[in-house]
Amino acid sequence: AQKITQTQPGMFVQEKEAVTLDCTYDTSDQSYGLFWYKQPSSGEMIFLIYQGSYDEQNATEGRYSLNFQKARKSANLVISASQLGDSAMYFCAMRRGTGTASKLTFGTGTRLQVTL
Amino acid sequence: KAGVTQTPRYLIKTRGQQVTLSCSPISGHRSVSWYQQTPGQGLQFLFEYFSETQRNKGNFPGRFSGRQFSNSRSEMNVSTLELGDSALYLCASSLSLGALFFGEGSRLTVL
Repeated sequence: AQKITQTQPGMFVQEKEAVTLDCTYDTSDQSYGLFWYKQPSSGEMIFLIYQGSYDEQNATEGRYSLNFQKARKSANLVISASQLGDSAMYFCAMRRGTGTASKLTFGTGTRLQVTL
Repeated sequence: KAGVTQTPRYLIKTRGQQVTLSCSPISGHRSVSWYQQTPGQGLQFLFEYFSETQRNKGNFPGRFSGRQFSNSRSEMNVSTLELGDSALYLCASSLSLGALFFGEGSRLTVL
């Protein structure tokens, strides 16, 4: 069975600072994908970044980067230069490599609060 | 490009009733999946449809069902509603193994 663990229920960060949200995963699959989503209070899940298990380089998307350490089974999200609009819940999720294209296993989430 | 559209956004039902939720995926996306989000259980996978066929199903009772139409629009139905069915129901669409793009969800309250 697959499992995603997010150990930080809540985080505070000052505006313009960088923040790292932790995510560890457990799977016996060789092929899998890792995702990060942002969920503001409106409820919509916003796709941020994706890392495939065979990708050798860490994924980056604008201010978001994914620190992928395969041996440690961790996929931490790094947000640089935090903005007030980054305040939201953040979920790490995993998908098995094949045959289950849309079945994601989610972590419990981290609530990020950006302060002035 | 229009995103995933879910209707209705909010609804209130009473125990024993049934409810139908609708999801229109991003144009060109043929895979539609549904998730239930509750404070206690978090985000849980309900089912996935691809080209009108259910491709995957989560661990939910048979009261939860869904279907997909030829235009990729999808509906999910919950019959004989229970208090525990109160949740945010999220629909997502994707291209094959690409990223899932979610709608804003349908927030169901069962009284």
